[in-house]
Formats: sequence, structure tokens, C-alpha cells
Amino acid sequence: DGGITQSPKYLFRKEGQNVTLSCEQNLNHDAMYWYRQDPGQGLRLIYYSQIVNDFQKGDIAEGYSVSREKKESFPLTVTSAQKNPTAFYLCASSRQGRFYNEQFFGPGTRLTVL
Amino acid sequence: EDQVTQSPEALRLQEGESSSLNCSYTVSGLRGLFWYRQDPGKGPEFLFTLYSAGEEKEKERLKATITKKESFLHITAPKPEDSATYLCAVRIQGAQKLVFGQGTRLTINP
Repeated sequence: DGGITQSPKYLFRKEGQNVTLSCEQNLNHDAMYWYRQDPGQGLRLIYYSQIVNDFQKGDIAEGYSVSREKKESFPLTVTSAQKNPTAFYLCASSRQGRFYNEQFFGPGTRLTVL
Repeated sequence: EDQVTQSPEALRLQEGESSSLNCSYTVSGLRGLFWYRQDPGKGPEFLFTLYSAGEEKEKERLKATITKKESFLHITAPKPEDSATYLCAVRIQGAQKLVFGQGTRLTINP
């Protein structure tokens, strides 16, 4: 089955720690994305990558970092510089192209800072 | 500024009671409008893509339509399993990202 996997499902972090969220896809999609979802707010884009070894900041990139060493993988690191990291994090992927841009989402990781 | 607004924020219906959800958008060039369904604690599930005014898409009890300024998600004779948050998003010209609305939380009572 093709799809997107995220791990872990739940993550607890102490203040001052960096944590890395995993995202893997086997859809052969070129583009991958990270979003943050907070209660009562729409999804906000953190980072996205259109090709291996390249990525761009989204609307709320401060305190986050990413890498794209493989087409299938796009891990997100939440650093200690992120002031309010408790949220639901969603990874997505899509084909590249002028029109075909439906994004398909993983199951999410809920991060809680203790 | 590109903006997507969904209304209402929450909607409670009786089973079988048809209604519509609204997604209004102000963007500088539409490259696609997307509807998703999201269940609590899960990732959004893709439903439809609409590209231009007058286009319609259907899936089971759901039908999505679009004009130059807004899109509607019509739900006909809903069932309790249709309860979810419905998200609308747009892709704007020249941009890779999607801009999301805040969603409409739909509850269908048996």
C-alpha cells in the first residue's frame, strides 16, 4: 500500500530539548511538506521541499529545521528555539506540476512539551 | 493578502438533514481549490480538487461546487459517519504551498 507514515504518534519533550519527527512516503512524490495544526487554527506551513537536497521556509519556520537527503524522507527537527512547540504536526506529499498538486497527508505526530 | 475563510465554524445536523458548507477565498490567481475531511487526531483525507468556476465533483453524499469567489461542499442526507472537520485549501498562482481555512466542524446526530 502506498502512503505516508509519521512517527512517533505521540512525543513528549522537556523544555530545552531538540526532537526529530519522522516522515516517510512511498508514493514516489517529489514534493514534501510539514504543517503545524493548533486548535481553532488552519494548517500553517513550516517547511517544504520540491526536490532532494533542497527546501524552502514556509510561513512559520523559526525554531524548526529540516533535511531532504532522500526522496522518500523529510524529517523535521523542533529545536529548543521554538517558543511554543506543543501542537499537532502533519507531513504531506504531492506530485510536482502546474496543476496536479493535491497534497496527501500522514497520520500526524502530537508533540507535547512538559 | 491571500485568504481563505470557512463558515460556519461548527454545524450540527440531524441524520438525513441536508446542508452546505462554505469556503470563501480572496487570492491573486487560483490554481486549484481542495477539500479535505479530517477526523479527530488524524491527518486530513483528500476529497476533491476544483479548478474553475462552474466545476462540480461528487463522491457519495458529498458534492463540491465552485464560483469565482467561493466554493460549497453540499452534503445530502448525511449519516453520523459523515461527522468530521472539513477543510478547504487553495493553491495560488506562482506558489507551491496551499493556504488553508480554519475548517468547519460538522456533527451529524442520529
